[in-house]
Amino acid sequence: AQTVTQSQPEMSVQEAETVTLSCTYDTSESNYYLFWYKQPPSRQMILVIRQEAYKQQNATENRFSVNFQKAAKSFSLKISDSQLGDTAMYFCAFMKHAGSGGSNYKLTFGKGTLLTVNP
Amino acid sequence: NAGVMQNPRHLVRRRGQEARLRCSPMKGHSHVYWYRQLPEEGLKFMVYLQKENIIDESGMPKERFSAEFPKEGPSILRIQQVVRGDSAAYFCASSPKQGFGYTFGSGTRLTVV
Repeated sequence: AQTVTQSQPEMSVQEAETVTLSCTYDTSESNYYLFWYKQPPSRQMILVIRQEAYKQQNATENRFSVNFQKAAKSFSLKISDSQLGDTAMYFCAFMKHAGSGGSNYKLTFGKGTLLTVNP
Repeated sequence: NAGVMQNPRHLVRRRGQEARLRCSPMKGHSHVYWYRQLPEEGLKFMVYLQKENIIDESGMPKERFSAEFPKEGPSILRIQQVVRGDSAAYFCASSPKQGFGYTFGSGTRLTVV
């Protein structure tokens, strides 16, 4: 079974600064997907960024980028130029690759990090 | 193109009543997943359905919980004889292919009093 650990329950950052959220995971799979989801107070789950394990290049989406260290099983999220609208819970999640067989449709989530962006 | 629609957004039930949560997937999506979020926890998988079929219900409690996704209409998550421990946010997601292109709804917050 896979596990996802987010060791920072809460973090805060000043507007316009950079913040990094940590995530580690445990799996015996060699190919899989990793995700960061944002959950603002509206409760909507919003996909922030997605990484395929077989791709060495780190994924980026505008101000959001990841540092994917496969050997260390680490997947951190960096938010640059933080904005007030980035205030939310952030969840790291794991899914087996489609070619892995088994439950390759099930997301396994960490417990989340509450990020507050201060003006 | 409307997203995944869940209703109601909030649901209050007394202990022992039944709760019915509805999820209409995105147009063109035939795969539906239900997740439960307990307070201060991440989402946990409950069940995966395709039209008229339950594919994986390994995350569903063995008693009182059931799910369906009929040929016509929304997917329904039913909780019978609710207890206080059922209080949580229940999220539905849909995808066009198995495990690919998930889109989540805004969830239903169930409160059992």
